[in-house]
Amino acid sequence: DVKVTQSSRYLVKRTGEKVFLECVQDMDHENMFWYRQDPGLGLRLIYFSYDVKMKEKGDIPEGYSVSREKKERFSLILESASTNQTSMYLCASSLSRGSSGNTIYFGEGSWLTVV
Amino acid sequence: DAKTTQPTSMDCAEGRAANLPCNHSTISGNEYVYWYRQIHSQGPQYIIHGLKNNETNEMASLIITEDRKSSTLILPHATLRDTAVYYCIVRSSNAGGTSYGKLTFGQGTILTVHP
Repeated sequence: DVKVTQSSRYLVKRTGEKVFLECVQDMDHENMFWYRQDPGLGLRLIYFSYDVKMKEKGDIPEGYSVSREKKERFSLILESASTNQTSMYLCASSLSRGSSGNTIYFGEGSWLTVV
Repeated sequence: DAKTTQPTSMDCAEGRAANLPCNHSTISGNEYVYWYRQIHSQGPQYIIHGLKNNETNEMASLIITEDRKSSTLILPHATLRDTAVYYCIVRSSNAGGTSYGKLTFGQGTILTVHP
């Protein structure tokens, strides 16, 4: 079974803090993703990585950065947390694009509250 | 990606089959039908996907009509733990770059399994 593990399920941080969300996958997937999910807004892509040290901005990259130093690990960084970044963050992974590689697998989610 | 239409909610008795319909009348030839579910406060869970043929795995069966304009997800013996929001999504196998990571989760169907 594919396993995508997010390091923290629930976090509370203060405005202005630097926040790290860690994600590890155990299926040797090339692609990894960070999303946030908010009521009424659905799933929004923040960043996408298709290889080690490679990244592409998604729809809402402002206020976020990412790091992928190893294939299995993809980190989301909030440089200076703000209250509008309170959300559920979802990490996901998949094989390279292709007919059998389109399935995206998600982690359990990290609930971040910024106060 | 093509738009999908699902009923807002459905009920099912425990132990019975749950049949969840989805309309995707504008689906194109290179688009797959995917099903995910999301239990409250957790990340989306992949269930099954298909292109033309019916598919079955350990979780569910997917029946796609011959014209591919609609499909049905079947949970053969629903349990209380199957209570969740079920999302039907169509995705292209040709999407590139960050388009690949875009997942449009509609409103989904709230399935309630009762004793």
